[in-house]
Amino acid sequence: NAGVTQTPKFRILKIGQSMTLQCAQDMNHNYMYWYRQDPGMGLKLIYYSVGAGITDKGEVPNGYNVSRSTTEDFPLRLELAAPSQTSVYFCASGSPRAYSGNTIYFGEGSWLTVV
Amino acid sequence: DQQVKQNSPSLSVQEGRISILNCDYTNSMFDYFLWYKKYPAEGPTFLISISSIKDKNEDGRFTVFLNKSAKHLSLHIVPSQPGDSAVYFCAASGATGNQFYFGTGTSLTVIP
Repeated sequence: NAGVTQTPKFRILKIGQSMTLQCAQDMNHNYMYWYRQDPGMGLKLIYYSVGAGITDKGEVPNGYNVSRSTTEDFPLRLELAAPSQTSVYFCASGSPRAYSGNTIYFGEGSWLTVV
Repeated sequence: DQQVKQNSPSLSVQEGRISILNCDYTNSMFDYFLWYKKYPAEGPTFLISISSIKDKNEDGRFTVFLNKSAKHLSLHIVPSQPGDSAVYFCAASGATGNQFYFGTGTSLTVIP
């Protein structure tokens, strides 16, 4: 029962460093998402993808990049890390169904600290 | 601009009683609503959903009510159990399901 798998679970970055958060799903979902959650806040959408080769910006895309070369994988790239990117990152996936909407399923999260 | 709002950051309920968690939204184009439950250091897990064509959906101890005219939904948990203690997020999306908007969460504590 893998579902949505995120790596790494925890990471400390120095200001200005870059890194990639990995996300993979084995449910053959078309849609994939990256969210971040700051303390006391809801989840904010960073980027999403409706299929391989298609990505689009969410509410808070600045400082991030994504790619979707396969249905299964949706990595999130942080370029020039800043303290404001300290957060918990969640990857999710789902597939819309007629008359029943699109339920999305989350990974366990990646805790990132930028110092 | 917060399109989905959960105005109660926390709620405490005695075991066996009803828990009612509330959520308001501003966008009349939202078509699908969901509730997620989150334990510390874990990802949110899907709990229950409702389409805008319905006003109630039930799954075991969990019932979601939707009042479209008031742009309000609520989650009822009956009876509440200690294992229900978690943070609950409501979420909403349009018909395409491209983007989901989340509330800030309500922390539920069920007291044994």
